[in-house]
Amino acid sequence: EDKVVQSPLSLVVHEGDTVTLNCSYEVTNFRSLLWYKQEKKAPTFLFMLTSSGIEKKSGRLSSILDKKELFSILNITATQTGDSAVYLCAVLFGNEKLTFGTGTRLTIIP
Amino acid sequence: GAVVSQHPSWVICKSGTSVKIECRSLDFQATTMFWYRQFPKQSLMLMATSNEGSKATYEQGVEKDKFLINHASLTLSTLTVTSAHPEDSSFYICSAGVRRGHYGYTFGSGTRLTVV
Repeated sequence: EDKVVQSPLSLVVHEGDTVTLNCSYEVTNFRSLLWYKQEKKAPTFLFMLTSSGIEKKSGRLSSILDKKELFSILNITATQTGDSAVYLCAVLFGNEKLTFGTGTRLTIIP
Repeated sequence: GAVVSQHPSWVICKSGTSVKIECRSLDFQATTMFWYRQFPKQSLMLMATSNEGSKATYEQGVEKDKFLINHASLTLSTLTVTSAHPEDSSFYICSAGVRRGHYGYTFGSGTRLTVV
């Protein structure tokens, strides 16, 4: 059975801290792994990772994929209260369907 | 670009009535639309995949007679929750597959359904 698992389920840190969110997967016909940020409504796209070992970076956020060990991490440095959200990892299959992980609820304390 | 407009944003209905949710692609043609449901503090669960002009493909455990999906045009897909019950209360989100360079996804803003 295909599955996507994220850890931790929730995380509370102080503003300025660095956090690492994890996503592991067991799927057939893997194509890409995507990260999303969800605040109150629909998820907003962060990264799409297809190749192993190539870091993608956007401001204080970065992500990398390890296709051998079947996981990805999302790093956020110098966290701000605006980073508080649920971070979702999703895996794209060959039939172009996305399967989402359980999500990590990140709370940044001022 | 690649905007999906979803309406309504929220709806409250009485048990036993039907509710229709619309997703429109505003500046592109959405040949494939995905419908998700999200319960509080849970992740997005794929309900069905609809392709323009053909019947939707439902995920295991999703009742096709209860959640009617219509994708009659390249810019409009609808989800109708028939004979809604309180357990159908949830957040419903559509997502369109977009091919611009690589294959990506754009989400609607979601609909919060409350059945009383």
